[in-house]
Amino acid sequence: ETGVTQTPRHLVMGMTNKKSLKCEQHLGHNAMYWYKQSAKKPLELMFVYNFKEQTENNSVPSRFSPECPNSSHLFLHLHTLQPEDSALYLCASRWGNTEAFFGQGTRLTVV
Amino acid sequence: AQSVAQPEDQVNVAEGNPLTVKCTYSVSGNPYLFWYVQYPNRGLQFLLKYITGDNLVKGSYGFEAEFNKSQTSFHLKKPSALVSDSALYFCAVRDMGKGDDKIIFGKGTRLHILP
Repeated sequence: ETGVTQTPRHLVMGMTNKKSLKCEQHLGHNAMYWYKQSAKKPLELMFVYNFKEQTENNSVPSRFSPECPNSSHLFLHLHTLQPEDSALYLCASRWGNTEAFFGQGTRLTVV
Repeated sequence: AQSVAQPEDQVNVAEGNPLTVKCTYSVSGNPYLFWYVQYPNRGLQFLLKYITGDNLVKGSYGFEAEFNKSQTSFHLKKPSALVSDSALYFCAVRDMGKGDDKIIFGKGTRLHILP
């Protein structure tokens, strides 16, 4: 275990639903990341937060809405998604210049 | 913008043979370089990193990587492959010249160790 916990592990949602993914770490890390991993595509950086402030938004569609209420928690709010948004969503965290620690991911299926 | 290239989609190696998984990078400043491994339906596990110092870095499970600044490469190696090394391997870079938080990953290389 890396100390980064993602819930739920699996999620199936309809295109009109609203759901949220949660990421939690109690490692004292200051930076938190959302990545999207689709089949046969590179790992795509979506958002980065550092000390609760968003520092990167990699041109992500507005149907994905991140929230970072404190340095230990990161959410990804989802609404009106498309089937092509089905993927493994990975959260990671980092302190200073260390490597990033990854959660197990949430496997999202949009139907 | 920083980028990472993993030129091989798949590498096949016989068990007991040495293995190499290739990675090249492009950054504007000094790179922080990382290798991760991913097993099916799991997150990424950290293997090793280069920040500064010795060009040859040693990591988990007997893996090592060599930083080559002139060739902008950071190839992953292991002297003797195990069947259990079969997995998806990712190279990643953080561009310290930009001073931002981005960690960019390559597309991954699937390593098959043949018994």
